[in-house]
Amino acid sequence: DGGITQSPKYLFRKEGQNVTLSCEQNLNHDAMYWYRQDPGQGLRLIYYSQIVNDFQKGDIAEGYSVSREKKESFPLTVTSAQKNPTAFYLCASTSGEGQAGELFFGEGSRLTVL
Amino acid sequence: GQNIDQPTEMTATEGAIVQINCTYQTSGFNGLFWYQQHAGEAPTFLSYNVLDGLEEKGRFSSFLSRSKGYSYLLLKELQMKDSASYLCAVLDSNYQLIWGAGTKLIIKP
Repeated sequence: DGGITQSPKYLFRKEGQNVTLSCEQNLNHDAMYWYRQDPGQGLRLIYYSQIVNDFQKGDIAEGYSVSREKKESFPLTVTSAQKNPTAFYLCASTSGEGQAGELFFGEGSRLTVL
Repeated sequence: GQNIDQPTEMTATEGAIVQINCTYQTSGFNGLFWYQQHAGEAPTFLSYNVLDGLEEKGRFSSFLSRSKGYSYLLLKELQMKDSASYLCAVLDSNYQLIWGAGTKLIIKP
């Protein structure tokens, strides 16, 4: 079955540590996205990538980094520079132009900073 | 600035009908999406409207009025499994999605 797989589902991090969240899709979608979800707020875009080896900053990119070396994979690194990283992180992909198409989401990764 | 407004929480009874409203102010408009998100899970696509009018899909319908900057999601014959958050998102002139904070729908027996 095609879909998006995120791992880990739950992650705990000590302050000052970098962590990497994995996102893999087998939908053959060109575009992939990373969102952050906090209680009482809408989804906020961190980074997105329209094609391999290219990615763009979203609205809240500071303290995060990404890579897109393969079409299937779009990992997100939460660095120690991110001041408030505790959140629910969602990876998504679409075959549409920009974000015009239906987004397919992974199950999410919940990061807690201790 | 760009803004999407939805009620924070709504309560309805099993078997009844509920309407969840969404108003928006964005720089341009290229369509409006509704997603359903159960607690702790990923959002799943419900509907997409780009023209004015009502789109019906089973128990769920979505309405759009571009002149009023307004949409609603109508859920009929409510079931307990419909308890979830409903997210409204607008595609702006740059084809970027602007998301509302979501409406938490609580279904009571």
